Amino acid sequence: QSVLTQPPSASGTPGQRVTISCSGSTSNIGSSPVNWYQHLPGTAPQLLIYNNNQRPSGVPDRFSGSKSGTSASLAISGLQSEDEADYYCATWDDTLNGVVFGGGTKLTVL
Amino acid sequence: QVQLQESGPGLVKPSETLSLTCTVSGASIRSDYWSWIRQPPGQGLEWIGYIFHIGTTNYNPSLKSRVTISVDTSKNQFSLKMASMTAADTAIYYCARRARIGAAYYMDVWGKGTTVTVSS
Repeated sequence: QSVLTQPPSASGTPGQRVTISCSGSTSNIGSSPVNWYQHLPGTAPQLLIYNNNQRPSGVPDRFSGSKSGTSASLAISGLQSEDEADYYCATWDDTLNGVVFGGGTKLTVL
Repeated sequence: QVQLQESGPGLVKPSETLSLTCTVSGASIRSDYWSWIRQPPGQGLEWIGYIFHIGTTNYNPSLKSRVTISVDTSKNQFSLKMASMTAADTAIYYCARRARIGAAYYMDVWGKGTTVTVSS
């Protein structure tokens, strides 16, 4: 069982806005920045959001991140078929003294 | 452009030690931290550990007793050794750069991953 809790699945139609949640505790999300990764099976995971809401260069502004208290969210607007992938949140956990990932959310574009 | 490439055996026997190497190109390994992450079949990502070029390491507590990460600055490589392998260690193993801006750490460049199967 993952330290960070994500819904196992999410879905939306092209053009729609979808959000993926990531729930943690005061020892992880509550005290450290959150990162989001996009992973298409068979490829390298890609950094999507770092430091809660920062986008690396090359990541479309359709992707946005936010954090409040011990929870974080990834929002994808203008959903496209190429967004179909697994999404993971990650952060530092002070109790475990290490990096923790969410269990991942499989996004389906209907 | 920074690139990472994992290399090592695709098949390991139970109880043996896994050895993987990550070759870094386009950046010096004498900066940032360098990580190993894995993904068992049908499961999510699991952080294994990281190393700084001077040898400072940090490991996942659940794997700490079996894992050693080392760095070879002359070859711009870092390596993973995992002892006492079992079928539960079957996974895709990724190496990644752990970059930093201020207090924010994140893995910004990943290798394509290498599949490791534990079987006799």
